[in-house]
Amino acid sequence: AQTVTQSQPEMSVQEAETVTLSCTYDTSESNYYLFWYKQPPSRQMILVIRQEAYKQQNATENRFSVNFQKAAKSFSLKISDSQLGDTAMYFCAFMKGETSYDKVIFGPGTSLSVIP
Amino acid sequence: DVKVTQSSRYLVKRTGEKVFLECVQDMDHENMFWYRQDPGLGLRLIYFSYDVKMKEKGDIPEGYSVSREKKERFSLILESASTNQTSMYLCASSSAGESSYNEQFFGPGTRLTVL
Repeated sequence: AQTVTQSQPEMSVQEAETVTLSCTYDTSESNYYLFWYKQPPSRQMILVIRQEAYKQQNATENRFSVNFQKAAKSFSLKISDSQLGDTAMYFCAFMKGETSYDKVIFGPGTSLSVIP
Repeated sequence: DVKVTQSSRYLVKRTGEKVFLECVQDMDHENMFWYRQDPGLGLRLIYFSYDVKMKEKGDIPEGYSVSREKKERFSLILESASTNQTSMYLCASSSAGESSYNEQFFGPGTRLTVL
């Protein structure tokens, strides 16, 4: 069975600095998707960034980028120029690539606080 | 924009009560999901549905049932609420289309307290 681990329950970063959130996963699948979701306080969870396992190039979305190491089964999220609005719970997630309704396996989350 | 709404943000119920949590999405998504979110455990899948009247058990279906009579609506039912079902419940939907990028869209959540 697939598992997703986030070893940092809480992190903090100064505004405008860079922070990296760690995520590791365990799977025997060769085709899958990885996600980072963001859940701001009292607000809806939204997708931050997505990576297909077959793509070697790391995904980037504005200030958010990932470091995808397939052999190491590692999928870290880097947030550059941190802003107060980045304060949120961040969940790493894994999904097999067989059907659109394959189960998404979520990690336990990392609570990120951006300090002014 | 995709919108997923849930019937209540906060709900307080008594042990043994039957509880209904409603979720509605407005993007004609085929797939709908119910999760519960607990600190340190992330999100755990309770049930999901990939079509009207279709349902599949997730990882923690015990004590729950679901109903999907219309494409846009997915209901979670706690037949006899217990204190260990106190949690945050999140509904999500996603498209079955190949261009969907498998993104799930979430509702705001219902924080249920069972006394």
